[in-house]
Amino acid sequence: GAGVSQSPRYKVTKRGQDVALRCDPISGHVSLYWYRQALGQGPEFLTYFNYEAQQDKSGLPNDRFSAERPEGSISTLTIQRTEQRDSAMYRCASSTMTSGGEQYFGPGTRLTVT
Amino acid sequence: GIQVEQSPPDLILQEGANSTLRCNFSDSVNNLQWFHQNPWGQLINLFYIPSGTKQNGRLSATTVATERYSLLYISSSQTTDSGVYFCAVEIGSGTYKYIFGTGTRLKVLA
Repeated sequence: GAGVSQSPRYKVTKRGQDVALRCDPISGHVSLYWYRQALGQGPEFLTYFNYEAQQDKSGLPNDRFSAERPEGSISTLTIQRTEQRDSAMYRCASSTMTSGGEQYFGPGTRLTVT
Repeated sequence: GIQVEQSPPDLILQEGANSTLRCNFSDSVNNLQWFHQNPWGQLINLFYIPSGTKQNGRLSATTVATERYSLLYISSSQTTDSGVYFCAVEIGSGTYKYIFGTGTRLKVLA
């Protein structure tokens, strides 16, 4: 079946603009996670959802970052007033379990802020 | 917070060689996954292994949760094994996020 998909795959934006990154999890997966990966490092947790409820947003760097999953399926990560330090790969993962479980990652969105 | 350290940080092998990658974690974990990030950036699931031993072809993994480490074995390495290997641990306690290790960068030479 189809895996986790993310769009856009690449996004170049100017500093100060808002961006919205989309994640479409594997069908039937109940939990959805967002991570950020800097070059040469492992993914870093941002936030996650069980169904439509945001369970943990402790990894969001500041209040310019927000995420939603209104219908318990597709999720959007929004970054307002982007800064150059926001440039990174943003990854989404989904899982069949609400309490941990094996995570499956999407291809990521490469964000570049100029 | 929990520390997840992987060793070695870098590894160069000749095709056909075997290797062992290690993941040490500083606290009890509920779950552990191994991933391979290929040169194109894809994160590929290798093992979901909170404890015990699993094998998949040339790869196998062992997690000894009580001693807080996991090992990934690669036998008869191939050039397609090149990339970065990450372990990730999930600590539970009301939140189920994964913490990734520092990674092992592997290059297999033909």
